[in-house]
Amino acid sequence: GIQVEQSPPDLILQEGANSTLRCNFSDSVNNLQWFHQNPWGQLINLFYIPSGTKQNGRLSATTVATERYSLLYISSSQTTDSGVYFCAVIGYKLSFGAGTTVTVRA
Amino acid sequence: DGGITQSPKYLFRKEGQNVTLSCEQNLNHDAMYWYRQDPGQGLRLIYYSQIVNDFQKGDIAEGYSVSREKKESFPLTVTSAQKNPTAFYLCASSIDWRGAFFGQGTRLTVV
Repeated sequence: GIQVEQSPPDLILQEGANSTLRCNFSDSVNNLQWFHQNPWGQLINLFYIPSGTKQNGRLSATTVATERYSLLYISSSQTTDSGVYFCAVIGYKLSFGAGTTVTVRA
Repeated sequence: DGGITQSPKYLFRKEGQNVTLSCEQNLNHDAMYWYRQDPGQGLRLIYYSQIVNDFQKGDIAEGYSVSREKKESFPLTVTSAQKNPTAFYLCASSIDWRGAFFGQGTRLTVV
């Protein structure tokens, strides 16, 4: 199956800082999604982005499918950005990376 | 409203019992998935189904069973053969490559 690797595993930020999360995948995929897991455990869709760049407020994502990676940017981080960020790729099934745990300190 | 509904939100099971977790979607999605998440860990795939009356084992299927008799429903049974069932269970659905959506999850605890 497709292997998905996320880095870094943990990230500690001061409020207001910018950060970049990375997702590498081992094979061609039909799509890629970024999720944020909230404190109650629910997975919130952030982006589905097979290629190119998308932006939503302070968050943006870029996927370079030919080089098999995607980046999630968090700008001007806030404490509410804390949580676990997952990327998932859709080949013949939905495969997840291990996640990046983000802690934003006030 | 369209979405995925998992029930119950919390479930307690005695040792040796089978329990069934419900997952219903009204998004008209073909594919449905079950994942398990342990504290501080990522998501591990239990079973998935790309079409009605067909499903495949994921990475950790032992001790679990599923059925897909209707497009809208994909129940997961945690059997007594699952030795460590306490976990958070998440159900998802998708239309092929056009993105997946998740339910709110079921927290299962063995008492």
